[in-house]
Amino acid sequence: DTGVSQDPRHKITKRGQNVTFRCDPISEHNRLYWYRQTLGQGPEFLTYFQNEAQLEKSRLLSDRFSAERPKGSFSTLEIQRTEQGDSAMYLCASSYDLTGRYNSPLHFGNGTRLTVT
Amino acid sequence: AQKVTQAQTEISVVEKEDVTLDCVYETRDTTYYLFWYKQPPSGELVFLIRRNSFDEQNEISGRYSWNFQKSTSSFNFTITASQVVDSAVYFCALTHSGAGSYQLTFGKGTKLSVIP
Repeated sequence: DTGVSQDPRHKITKRGQNVTFRCDPISEHNRLYWYRQTLGQGPEFLTYFQNEAQLEKSRLLSDRFSAERPKGSFSTLEIQRTEQGDSAMYLCASSYDLTGRYNSPLHFGNGTRLTVT
Repeated sequence: AQKVTQAQTEISVVEKEDVTLDCVYETRDTTYYLFWYKQPPSGELVFLIRRNSFDEQNEISGRYSWNFQKSTSSFNFTITASQVVDSAVYFCALTHSGAGSYQLTFGKGTKLSVIP
């Protein structure tokens, strides 16, 4: 069990640029989640996948945000035309859900810290 | 709507002291889960405990213990004989069971500093 892996750990970009983050979940986990954490706050939910299906995306912050999980393995989170307000820690988590109800606890990665200048 | 309140923003204790982190929650669901996560400076959220709303037994794991009181909607976390390695931000979180249970609602966290 290598844990949830996120890449890069840090990203500095200029306003208006696009950025993409990658998350590799724990291999046997079928659910993958993206959360955002700003300074002094707890993480807030963005979106989640069960296998390759994105089952909830209404909490993505704007249409500049999109996520994919091709083949139900790794996932990417893309932010287009970044703004300074996008600066935050982006956390990925995974879990194993067998019955369609909440099952195992979420295991989080180290996060990608985004700074938009 | 769900809400988690961690009223203590920052706490400092001297090593070997006991410390309790408070968590108060609000939910209209009858079945729900409560969690505590630890976030050290490295950034990774480390799962500590999950508690089902039907299970009000207190739990002890080594130096950690949790006190779940449904009557006061509280799920407090006590560290006994604190150590420097306990220094981190601790988050309490809540989700309901069933549909939508993927979405954890976190409190703002309590930063614990253990001074040698």
